[in-house]
Formats: sequence, C-alpha cells, structure tokens
Amino acid sequence: NAGVTQTPKFQVLKTGQSMTLQCAQDMNHEYMSWYRQDPGMGLRLIHYSVGAGITDQGEVPNGYNVSRSTTEDFPLRLLSAAPSQTSVYFCASSYSDRGNSPLHFGNGTRLTVT
Amino acid sequence: AQSVTQPDIHITVSEGASLELRCNYSYGATPYLFWYVQSPGQGLQLLLKYFSGDTLVQGIKGFEAEFKRSQSSFNLRKPSVQWSDAAEYFCAVVVNAGGTSYGKLTFGQGTILTVHP
Repeated sequence: NAGVTQTPKFQVLKTGQSMTLQCAQDMNHEYMSWYRQDPGMGLRLIHYSVGAGITDQGEVPNGYNVSRSTTEDFPLRLLSAAPSQTSVYFCASSYSDRGNSPLHFGNGTRLTVT
Repeated sequence: AQSVTQPDIHITVSEGASLELRCNYSYGATPYLFWYVQSPGQGLQLLLKYFSGDTLVQGIKGFEAEFKRSQSSFNLRKPSVQWSDAAEYFCAVVVNAGGTSYGKLTFGQGTILTVHP
C-alpha cells in the first residue's frame, strides 16, 4: 500500500505566489487533515475533513484553503504565500475521526517562502 | 484551554541506557493519549496509544507508556535504548468526551532524542 502520499517534497515560493500541496490516500479513510510543523511548536492543525464534501477549520486556518471532492484527495491551497507560511506540512488520514483509530501521516512537504 | 507539555526539548542517552520521556496534559475529562515518533525527513509513526483499561500500554519497537491520572501524565519508557531510536518524539492528546474528534487533537512540542554509541 502507498498509504498517504504528499507532493511535492520540497517547494520554494516567492511572497504572493499561490500553490497547491497535494495529498492522496489509498486506504479509503474518511478523515483527512493538514498540519504544519514548526520548530518547538509541535504540529498544529490547519484544516480537516470528515468525508467528501465536508471540511472544517483547525487551529491555524488563516491563509489556507481546502476542499474534498473525493475520498482519496485532500489538497491544501495557499492563495498568496507569506514568509510566515514557511514550514513543513503534513497530511494525515484515519479510518474515522473519533480519535480511536490511528492517524497515518505522509512524509511531508517542506515549503520555503522568500 | 487544553494543552500538552513535553518538558524536555532535547535528551541525550547512551546506547543501552534506559529512557523516560515526559508528557503532561491539562484536561478535565479522560483523554485519549498517543505517542508518535518522527525520524528525520519522515512523517510521524504511531508508537502506542491509551484509550482505557490497563494504564500501562505496550507499543512497537519495545516502548511502553504509563497513564497516571493523578499526575495528568503519560510518560514514554524504554528499558534499553538503541542507536536507531534517535528521533523526535511527540505526545498527543484528544479529549474523550462527546464529540471526540481528531479535530481536537493537540500535540506537544516534541522531544529530540540523541543516542550516543
């Protein structure tokens, strides 16, 4: 199984540019989420989805958009990149959102905004 | 507000020594508790979890953790550390109450483990 696949692995953007981070899972998981990881701050939830067509905001949603048109895919969009969005981004999925099934993580996308 | 604290940012141990990584949380209700490990350049992998029942839980790679309600702690232990255990370790908590959801999952700041040969 491929599990959770994130692309690209690395990306450099200039301030104001837009881009989409891709996330796909092949485990038929209903729950998918995006986290950002910054030194000394652990992982913080950006957006999450409990199924196709359903999304909600996490702890740090500003500057990011998401949509969930299929069960498999959950892209994260940066509409106008800012240096504060320099971070490592992780996508995660789980069979359910109820907290009692394990989260499966992708290998991350390292984003630098100059 | 709910919070998870890992007091140790960086721990260094010798190979073969015992290890304990600390995790404290502040919640009113009984939580679901997790420990994840992250190797360099990789995503997070679940080591173990506690939902209910026996407060000492066993995980993968020889790790165990003990839930102590009175101390609001969920410390991770390993009796003999290997060089391959060098990584960053994250404690995470989600409140076990009506509406429990990964949307409420909170991670600690992480503890970096260095292992000397």
